[in-house]
Amino acid sequence: SQTIHQWPATLVQPVGSPLSLECTVEGTSNPNLYWYRQAAGRGLQLLFYSVGIGQISSEVPQNLSASRPQDRQFILSSKKLLLSDSGFYLCAWSARGAQPQHFGDGTRLSIL
Amino acid sequence: GESVGLHLPTLSVQEGDNSIINCAYSNSASDYFIWYKQESGKGPQFIIDIRSNMDKRQGQRVTVLLNKTVKHLSLQIAATQPGDSAVYFCAEIIGGAQKLVFGQGTRLTINP
Repeated sequence: SQTIHQWPATLVQPVGSPLSLECTVEGTSNPNLYWYRQAAGRGLQLLFYSVGIGQISSEVPQNLSASRPQDRQFILSSKKLLLSDSGFYLCAWSARGAQPQHFGDGTRLSIL
Repeated sequence: GESVGLHLPTLSVQEGDNSIINCAYSNSASDYFIWYKQESGKGPQFIIDIRSNMDKRQGQRVTVLLNKTVKHLSLQIAATQPGDSAVYFCAEIIGGAQKLVFGQGTRLTINP
């Protein structure tokens, strides 16, 4: 069966520090991969999605970037974090060209 | 902005009763809908989906109803259990896109 892993589960970072969140999927090939951010008590906002290695689509202008160095690895990064980058970050995968999306358990990011 | 929204932000029901969570969408081109359940501190969990060529779909204790005339989606949970307490999100996909648009969510509380 397919599984998705995100780490770390929680992270506290100072303003201006870099960020790297990692997401990996097991048990499937050529998945679509997604990064979402969820503000407290709100719905999910799509940040990036990828249909293949090195292919990244950005949905909203922001202080973050994404990369897909391997088929089942998706990384969310920032060179300098802002206070507004705090939130709950979720990675998801779906079969290529299909739905639904399946989510990891997220990373709670707090910026101090 | 988001085109999918929910009528009620919170809903409380007695254990064993049935619950209905509603969702309105605005894009008539939406052709696929998903309900997710999100427990505190976890990622959204897929519950059930429905395509626009269907009016109703049933799962285990859950039923999704789609009314395309009024652009309304509902999730019915039968014989609610304490474990059903969570935030429920509806999401839609428009056309052939791979991007989900999420609603704000409804918090369902099951009272003993």
